[in-house]
Amino acid sequence: GAVVSQHPSWVICKSGTSVKIECRSLDFQATTMFWYRQFPKQSLMLMATSNEGSKATYEQGVEKDKFLINHASLTLSTLTVTSAHPEDSSFYICSAGGPLRPDTQYFGPGTRLTVL
Amino acid sequence: GENVEQHPSTLSVQEGDSAVIKCTYSDSASNYFPWYKQELGKRPQLIIDIRSNVGEKKDQRIAVTLNKTAKHFSLHITETQPEDSAVYFCAAKDNAGNMLTFGGGTRLMVKP
Repeated sequence: GAVVSQHPSWVICKSGTSVKIECRSLDFQATTMFWYRQFPKQSLMLMATSNEGSKATYEQGVEKDKFLINHASLTLSTLTVTSAHPEDSSFYICSAGGPLRPDTQYFGPGTRLTVL
Repeated sequence: GENVEQHPSTLSVQEGDSAVIKCTYSDSASNYFPWYKQELGKRPQLIIDIRSNVGEKKDQRIAVTLNKTAKHFSLHITETQPEDSAVYFCAAKDNAGNMLTFGGGTRLMVKP
């Protein structure tokens, strides 16, 4: 149990375009999901907490108008990187709390975004 | 907010030796401390966790110890194998919610 999927696994786009990344909890419902960004050889940096049916909570320094988060159902959260630029190139990973152990976060496989 | 420091940033050991990674945290109210293993290009995978009401937990070759007074916790891997090579992250849970704060990571290399 507690399987989290992400789509796409990788994406290459031109500067100025928008990219949507999906995060799904496959075998459980997740009222809260988390979005992280990880640059090469660095740690996981929390971008925002996604709450089902309400607005996401963004960490300091993360532009909410650039990184749009929608958590429309208990199994799906989406992150849209709007007007992407090369500096947005990174590994984006989502996570969700497990059904039996809400403290524990289970991670999706990540999405590697490359902006040309 | 919570701040988690992790040391060392890189660790090289010979196969069969033990490896120890240490983390300190700042928020005395934190009560949950997981450890994740991340292989290159892959997702972080939970390998062991400990709660603040326990001082030590062991799972085969992996153990975690927690010192609440000193606010530090450690990961111990015994009889290391080449497949243990990866980046390991410690984390602490903010008691105000479900948010995890991660340490900077330790790149473990096990030489055959």
